[in-house]
Amino acid sequence: EIVLTQSPGTLSLSPGERATLSCRASQSVSSSSLAWYHQKPGQAPRLLIYGASSRATGIPDRFSGSGSGTDFTLTISRLEPEDFAVYYCQQYGSSPPTFGQGTKVEIK
Amino acid sequence: EVQLVQSGAEVKKPGESLKISCKGSGYSFNSHWIGWVRQMPGKGLEWMGIIYPGDSDSRYSPSFQGQVTISVDKTISTAYLQWSSLKASDTAMYYCARFMAYSSGCYGDYWGQGTLVTVSS
Repeated sequence: EIVLTQSPGTLSLSPGERATLSCRASQSVSSSSLAWYHQKPGQAPRLLIYGASSRATGIPDRFSGSGSGTDFTLTISRLEPEDFAVYYCQQYGSSPPTFGQGTKVEIK
Repeated sequence: EVQLVQSGAEVKKPGESLKISCKGSGYSFNSHWIGWVRQMPGKGLEWMGIIYPGDSDSRYSPSFQGQVTISVDKTISTAYLQWSSLKASDTAMYYCARFMAYSSGCYGDYWGQGTLVTVSS
C-alpha cells in the first residue's frame, strides 16, 4: 500500500499568515487522486480538496492544492482563526486508500 | 442537505459483539458508496472499508478484512459496522462517510459525527 508522509508535524503560525503543508507518497499517486481534510478537536474530518487541486463544496478559495506524482501541497493563503486544526492528506489512486499521519496547524 | 447520523457511544466488554449504525439522508442513498474510518485515541485516520447500497458490493482494507463486517439496509438508508468479538484494541472513534469511488479508491465527501466505542473489562 502507498505510505503518505506529511510534513511538518506541527506548524506554528499567526492568523493572517500563509501555511504550506506537504504530503509525500512512497510511490506515484495515479491520476492525482489525492484529497485533503481538516479535523478540528472533537469534530469529524471535513473534505477540503480532491483530485489534488479541486475545492470541495463550500470551501473558501484561501485553500488551494497542488502537486502530482509523489509530491503534493496544501496552501492556506491567509490563516483564519477557524483554520487552526489537524490536516490530513489521503490518496485514492491505489487500493486500499491511505491517509498521512497529519500536520497540526497551531496558533503561534 | 446531505446528512449522516451515527448511533451513540458504546461501552462494551472484551468478547462482546457490537453493531453500530449510520443513517444517510438528503441524497440518493442507494447510488453512493458508504463506509467507515477508524481513529484510535490521539491517532490518525484509517480507512476500513466501503459498501455500495445498490447491490451490497463491499471492499475492505486488508488490515480490517475478517475483523469487522460492513453491511447495509437500503430500505432504511442505513449502513452498519459490526464486530463479533470485541478486543480492547477496538477502542476508537468510528466515522462513517459517503465515499466518491473511482477505479482504485475513494474519498469521503460527507462525514458522520462519529461513534465512540470503548472496550474495557
